[in-house]
Amino acid sequence: AQSVTQPDARVTVSEGASLQLRCKYSYSGTPYLFWYVQYPRQGLQLLLKYYSGDPVVQGVNGFEAEFSKSNSSFHLRKASVHWSDSAVYFCVLSPASSGSWQLIFGSGTQLTVMP
Amino acid sequence: DPKIIQKPKYLVAVTGSEKILICEQYLGHNAMYWYRQSAKKPLEFMFSYSYQKLMDNQTASSRFQPQSSKKNHLDLQITALKPDDSATYFCASSQEEREISNERLFFGHGTKLSVL
Repeated sequence: AQSVTQPDARVTVSEGASLQLRCKYSYSGTPYLFWYVQYPRQGLQLLLKYYSGDPVVQGVNGFEAEFSKSNSSFHLRKASVHWSDSAVYFCVLSPASSGSWQLIFGSGTQLTVMP
Repeated sequence: DPKIIQKPKYLVAVTGSEKILICEQYLGHNAMYWYRQSAKKPLEFMFSYSYQKLMDNQTASSRFQPQSSKKNHLDLQITALKPDDSATYFCASSQEEREISNERLFFGHGTKLSVL
C-alpha cells in the first residue's frame, strides 16, 4: 500500500536554528515526491519537488530536501529558519505510474519558530 | 490576488442538509481537483476533472457530486450531510491532468465545513 508518514506532528525551533522535518514513504515503484506548505488561512503552496536525478533538491525560501531510496525517506531541511517559516508542512507522494495528481499526503508537521 | 477562488470560506450546516462548495480558477488550467482535510486524517484526494470530464474518483460516497458548468468551475455538491463530513475542502488546478512531471498544482484557500 502507498503511504506517507510524517512522524513529528509538531516541531518547535528557535529562529536562526537549523531544521529537519522527517518524511518516510511507502511505495514499491518510482515515486514523485513533494513538500507543500500551508501558511495560516492560506492554501497549500509547493516548496519543492523530486522526480529523478540529484537526490538533493532545492526549493523556495532556502528549503531543500534529500531523497533516499534505501531509506524510503524525503526529509526537508533548512539551515536557518525564520519566524515566517511557521506553518504546516506536508510531505506528498504521487505514484509515478499513475502520472496524475492523485496525491497521497502525510499528516503534516506543524512548525513553530520561536523568536 | 488569489487565482483560485473558493466560496464560502466557512460554512456551517445541519445534519441531513445539502450544500454546494464553489470553486473557480483563473489560471487557464484544464484540470481541476477536490481534496479533503479532516481533523483526524491527512489530506485526501477526492476527484479530478480534465476538460470538464471526470477522470478519477476516490470518494466512496455518492453524496459527493462534482459539478462543472464551465471549464474553470468545479463545484462540489454534498447531500445528506453528516457530522463526519466536517473538514476543510480544498480545490486545486493544474494545466493538464496527467502532466505531473512538468507542472505544478495550485490550491485554493479552502472551505471549512462544519456539520452540526
